[in-house]
Amino acid sequence: GEDVEQSLFLSVREGDSSVINCTYTDSSSTYLYWYKQEPGAGLQLLTYIFSNMDMKQDQRLTVLLNKKDKHLSLRIADTQTGDSAIYFCADSNSNSGYALNFGKGTSLLVTP
Amino acid sequence: SAVISQKPSRDICQRGTSLTIQCQVDSQVTMMFWYRQQPGQSLTLIATANQGSEATYESGFVIDKFPISRPNLTFSTLTVSNMSPEDSSIYLCSVEVTPGRDSTNEQYFGPGTRLTVT
Repeated sequence: GEDVEQSLFLSVREGDSSVINCTYTDSSSTYLYWYKQEPGAGLQLLTYIFSNMDMKQDQRLTVLLNKKDKHLSLRIADTQTGDSAIYFCADSNSNSGYALNFGKGTSLLVTP
Repeated sequence: SAVISQKPSRDICQRGTSLTIQCQVDSQVTMMFWYRQQPGQSLTLIATANQGSEATYESGFVIDKFPISRPNLTFSTLTVSNMSPEDSSIYLCSVEVTPGRDSTNEQYFGPGTRLTVT
C-alpha cells in the first residue's frame, strides 16, 4: 500500500514552536489529517486539510501542505506540556472509501 | 462532530475464546471503520462496515476471524474470534462525518477497546 512517513520523536521546550513533519506517497490523497493520542487515550482529530489547499490555521495549529513534494507539516505555536502526546498523520482518498492510512506517529515531548 | 462509545473499554481473555466489541454513535453515519492498534504501533484498518452490505476487509484480515455486523446506521460490532496472544491490541471504531455543504470529510474515533489475550 501507499506509505505515510513521520519522524518518530520530537522534543521541544515549553513556549517554543513544534513542527511535526509527514510525507506521503499517494498522489490521489484527497484529505490529510492530524490526530493526537495521549497516553492510554483514543485518537483526537486535531485538524485536516483538503488536498487543494496549501495552508490551514486553527488557533495554535498551522497545517502546511506541499502537494508537489507530498509533504505535510503541523506547527504548534507556544507549545505547552499538555501538548505532549503522539501525533499521527494520515491520508485518505475515494479509492479506499476514505479509510485512513496512518503514519507510525511522532512522539512529542514538551519539557519545562 | 460525532460522539462514539465502545464496549467493553478493556478485557482480558483466554486464548481460544471470542470477544465481541460494540461501537455506538450518537448520530446516523454511513461509513464506519474498524482499526487495530498493536502495542506501540500505528493504526491498521481491519475493515469498512457500511449498513446494508457486507463488510469489506483489508488484506490480512478475514471475515472468519473478525466477523462484523452493521445492523443500523448508529451501531456496529466487531468480533475477535478464536483469540491468540497476537490479537492483543487496541481495537478502535471510527466514523466518517460529512458536515455542512462543503463536503469536507471528518473522521472521528471511539475511545478504543484494549484487549489482552493470555
